[in-house]
Amino acid sequence: GQQVMQIPQYQHVQEGEDFTTYCNSSTTLSNIQWYKQRPGGHPVFLIQLVKSGEVKKQKRLTFQFGEAKKNSSLHITATQTTDVGTYFCAGPSYNQGGKLIFGQGTELSVKP
Amino acid sequence: DAGVIQSPRHEVTEMGQEVTLRCKPISGHDYLFWYRQTMMRGLELLIYFNNNVPIDDSGMPEDRFSAKMPNASFSTLKIQPSEPRDSAVYFCASSYAGVEWGAFFGQGTRLTVV
Repeated sequence: GQQVMQIPQYQHVQEGEDFTTYCNSSTTLSNIQWYKQRPGGHPVFLIQLVKSGEVKKQKRLTFQFGEAKKNSSLHITATQTTDVGTYFCAGPSYNQGGKLIFGQGTELSVKP
Repeated sequence: DAGVIQSPRHEVTEMGQEVTLRCKPISGHDYLFWYRQTMMRGLELLIYFNNNVPIDDSGMPEDRFSAKMPNASFSTLKIQPSEPRDSAVYFCASSYAGVEWGAFFGQGTRLTVV
């Protein structure tokens, strides 16, 4: 079945270092979404990318959607302790309009 | 808007007891989702509704789990009887016109079955 894979599973960085997580789908996606879940919290929608090759920025976060619309990345520049949490990518199911397929998430820890 | 509201936030129950989790979606959203999150299995979609009608319940683990959506502003997820392996965080989420524009999650119910 349709799968969305993320790597790495865990990332530990020193505050100020950069961080990148990668997302790969087994099928072409109509869009890719990114969510952040703080420890003990709930997933929060961050952004949606729709176009092939699209790049969007939110302050220190840069999101990219691959040309083939099967992969995506999230890059955080100069991490801060507030960036701690798990980042999930998700894509709509190709045959079930109401279903989101989530990656396993990348857990980011930041050492001050 | 207050967002998706779930209750209770925490539930501790004994094995064999019935557990009912509640959810109020964002007003105007026509999709409602129930997810379960554990360390081992991550985020699992249990069931989702469109306009109060269950569309896909293939993620419901077994017959002990049931979900209802009697109206556009309320849904329940029931586990009867509960077992220790049901311990997890259960999230309700809602969205408008499918998931193309994102899903919005409630704060979750942390269920512990002892």
